[in-house]
Amino acid sequence: QKEVEQNSGPLSVPEGAIASLNCTYSDRGSQSFFWYRQYSGKSPELIMSIYSNGDKEDGRFTAQLNKASQYVSLLIRDSQPSDSATYLCASTDSNYQLIWGAGTKLIIKP
Amino acid sequence: DGGITQSPKYLFRKEGQNVTLSCEQNLNHDAMYWYRQDPGQGLRLIYYSQIVNDFQKGDIAEGYSVSREKKESFPLTVTSAQKNPTAFYLCASSRVSTGGMYEQYFGPGTRLTVT
Repeated sequence: QKEVEQNSGPLSVPEGAIASLNCTYSDRGSQSFFWYRQYSGKSPELIMSIYSNGDKEDGRFTAQLNKASQYVSLLIRDSQPSDSATYLCASTDSNYQLIWGAGTKLIIKP
Repeated sequence: DGGITQSPKYLFRKEGQNVTLSCEQNLNHDAMYWYRQDPGQGLRLIYYSQIVNDFQKGDIAEGYSVSREKKESFPLTVTSAQKNPTAFYLCASSRVSTGGMYEQYFGPGTRLTVT
């Protein structure tokens, strides 16, 4: 069964530090990878997408993809209390549907 | 403003009643999706549609039904056959490509409580 695995957390990070969120996937055929942020009681919000090996940066966020290791990560620099949320990782399957991880809860401590 | 709307935000129903959740998008996206999210869990796909008048079952379609008569609209009916309908329901949409997957964008969700 195709899976996306994430540590459920919570991951506690001091304000201003780098938060590192990790995700592994089982389907070697996955082509596209996404990170969503979900605040409590709200719907997921797309923050990063990555399709090629390497790093992709957008503001304070960096997504990293390593297809050989089937590993994707999200780094958040200069973490702010407003970054406290659950972060969902998703990858595509061969039918271009998303396979979702259960999410990592991130807590930024002031 | 372009976006996805879902209504209502909160919905309460008695057991044994069917209920329809609305989802409308004005992003001109071809594909639309319905997910269910239970506390502490990831998203599970109920149904999806990549084109008008066509839709496919997802991983947990039993007890649900959908229609796609217009590109903008993808309503979900939760029937009395769904054993545990209380959940957070999320509608999403995306562009469609033959070569890959475009990002999905979500509506605000409908929280359904069945007692």
